[in-house]
Amino acid sequence: GAVVSQHPSWVICKSGTSVKIECRSLDFQATTMFWYRQFPKQSLMLMATSNEGSKATYEQGVEKDKFLINHASLTLSTLTVTSAHPEDSSFYICSAGGRPTTEQYFGPGTRLTVT
Amino acid sequence: QKEVEQNSGPLSVPEGAIASLNCTYSDRGSQSFFWYRQYSGKSPELIMSIYSNGDKEDGRFTAQLNKASQYVSLLIRDSQPSDSATYLCAAALYGGSQGNLIFGKGTKLSVKP
Repeated sequence: GAVVSQHPSWVICKSGTSVKIECRSLDFQATTMFWYRQFPKQSLMLMATSNEGSKATYEQGVEKDKFLINHASLTLSTLTVTSAHPEDSSFYICSAGGRPTTEQYFGPGTRLTVT
Repeated sequence: QKEVEQNSGPLSVPEGAIASLNCTYSDRGSQSFFWYRQYSGKSPELIMSIYSNGDKEDGRFTAQLNKASQYVSLLIRDSQPSDSATYLCAAALYGGSQGNLIFGKGTKLSVKP
């Protein structure tokens, strides 16, 4: 299967600061990337979808000014959590799909803890 | 509201048995279906995709799709303790690489040695 990486794998930050998470497709061109959030013992929740070179499409209830998504190249998308609060603590996972793959592959996830 | 329904389990099977996981979906327009495995604290890992009615086999895994019944299943033969995980069923309107995946809440599988 295709390989998607995420960095960092875990991060601890203070309330009010911003955190950037990177998602990279290593062996294919990711024309579309997806960002999910997963709270403990709950299912994946799609936050936003981004197509390379376009603005991200956010799911209902997700604040686009708080969760900034950039998908500037076919191999890299970033999610910036701005002015993080403890309730933003979660497991953030990206996934990618594109050429030549027909499926969607997940990165290993980033565990964010806001203190 | 597009939904994918799964029995949350836990489903417990003895080692070596067949584990059967089921999923139904509400949107008849769904074209692509996926099974992901998620170990606790880890991200989902794609194990099977299926696009046409019928069975698709890959090693110990068999995915089955019945679009008329809006039903997808995953069979795991010769279950191993390492198969213990949460299995997520997902459906997409388009090819999985481009379209939003609608996930079920997952079925927790426990394989007892």
